Amino acid sequence: DAGVTQSPTHLIKTRGQHVTLRCSPISGHKSVSWYQQVLGQGPQFIFQYYEKEERGRGNFPDRFSARQFPNYSSELNVNALLLGDSALYLCASSQRIAEATDTQYFGPGTRLTVL
Amino acid sequence: AQKITQTQPGMFVQEKEAVTLDCTYDTSDPSYGLFWYKQPSSGEMIFLIYQGSYDQQNATEGRYSLNFQKARKSANLVISASQLGDSAMYFCAIGTYNTDKLIFGTGTRLQVFP
Repeated sequence: DAGVTQSPTHLIKTRGQHVTLRCSPISGHKSVSWYQQVLGQGPQFIFQYYEKEERGRGNFPDRFSARQFPNYSSELNVNALLLGDSALYLCASSQRIAEATDTQYFGPGTRLTVL
Repeated sequence: AQKITQTQPGMFVQEKEAVTLDCTYDTSDPSYGLFWYKQPSSGEMIFLIYQGSYDQQNATEGRYSLNFQKARKSANLVISASQLGDSAMYFCAIGTYNTDKLIFGTGTRLQVFP
C-alpha cells in the first residue's frame, strides 16, 4: 500500500505570495495533520482534520488555513508569505479509531523556501 | 500542556554496538502515548515504536526497544546492533487523547561509525 504522499516536494516563493501544499493520506486513514518543521527544530503542529472537520489548531496565525476533501486528501494554504515561513511542511495521516492515542504516519514533506 | 525533553543533541556509536537515546516527558493527562520517529537527511519522519501509558511491558520492534519508566517519566529508545543506516535525527513525541496532536522534542542526531 502507498504511504502518505505530498506535493510538491520543493517550492520556492517570494515574500507576500500565496502557497498551496497537498497531501494524500494512507488508504483507509480519515485523519490528516499538518506540521511545520523549521531547520534544527522538531515539528510543530499546525492543524488536524478528521472527516472533513477541523479537530485541532496549533499556535499559527490566520494566514495559515487548511481543508480536507471527501476523499480525505488535504490542502494547506499559506497567505502573505514571510521569510520565517521557510520550513519543511509535513503531512501525517492516522486512522483515528478512538483509541487513547493514534500513530501518525508522515509523508516525505514539502520543503518551502521563501525569498 | 505536554512537553518532551531530549537532552542529547548528538550521539556517536560504533557499528554493531547498542545505543540509548534519552527522552523525558511531562503531561497531566493519565492517558497518553509515546512515539519515536527517525528522520534521515531526506526529511521524511519514519515511525519506529510506540508505548502506551497503560502498557505493562516495554515495547519492542526488531532492533528497537523502548525503556519506559513511568514513575520517572522517561521513555528512552534503545537501538541494538547499530547499523550505518541508523545515522539520522531521532525524535521523541507524545500524544494524548484530548489534544489531537503530537508534541515533539528537539531531537538527537545519531551518527554510527564503522
